[in-house]
Amino acid sequence: NAGVTQTPKFQVLKTGQSMTLQCAQDMNHEYMSWYRQDPGMGLRLIHYSVGAGITDQGEVPNGYNVSRSTTEDFPLRLLSAAPSQTSVYFCASSYAQGRETQYFGPGTRLLVL
Amino acid sequence: DAKTTQPPSMDCAEGRAANLPCNHSTISGNEYVYWYRQIHSQGPQYIIHGLKNNETNEMASLIITEDRKSSTLILPHATLRDTAVYYCIVRVANRDDKIIFGKGTRLHILP
Repeated sequence: NAGVTQTPKFQVLKTGQSMTLQCAQDMNHEYMSWYRQDPGMGLRLIHYSVGAGITDQGEVPNGYNVSRSTTEDFPLRLLSAAPSQTSVYFCASSYAQGRETQYFGPGTRLLVL
Repeated sequence: DAKTTQPPSMDCAEGRAANLPCNHSTISGNEYVYWYRQIHSQGPQYIIHGLKNNETNEMASLIITEDRKSSTLILPHATLRDTAVYYCIVRVANRDDKIIFGKGTRLHILP
């Protein structure tokens, strides 16, 4: 049981480049979400999903796309990276019903030049 | 916006109890209080949650006031490893709505 995994751990992009941050969980969790964390700031919700085929926007969705084709995977796409997207990105998952504990991945550190 | 208010930072001496306050004056009757913490550079970690009764587990105790407008997370014997940012969140359990974190309290444990 690997929990929540994220790849890559680190990434450097140039402005305008695109990339996908990967997130996977093996706990059969229905709820998954993406947060970003800027230096000295709390976590801000980007997008979330309550199950396969269902996604919704969080607090700061602009510049990011998500999809949820399977229960296990919830990739985050940056279509045209901007320096303002330099941040640490965390993926999280939890059961939709019953236990509400969220499990977080180790994070992806992204630098956009 | 987060529904909670926490002090931005607190200090606590090692070995003493750390008491972290949280105000949630607009909490609804079916909303729970959750606490998470984030140790530097790591993903947040669940600590405890409760509805109206006080709760205790191996990590901490949660004291919720009778009117439920505020709560206190207690780390009974703080160690240097408890240095982290602590987040207080209110939400309805078993709901599929989004989970919003505020800015939390940065707890410094002093040797």
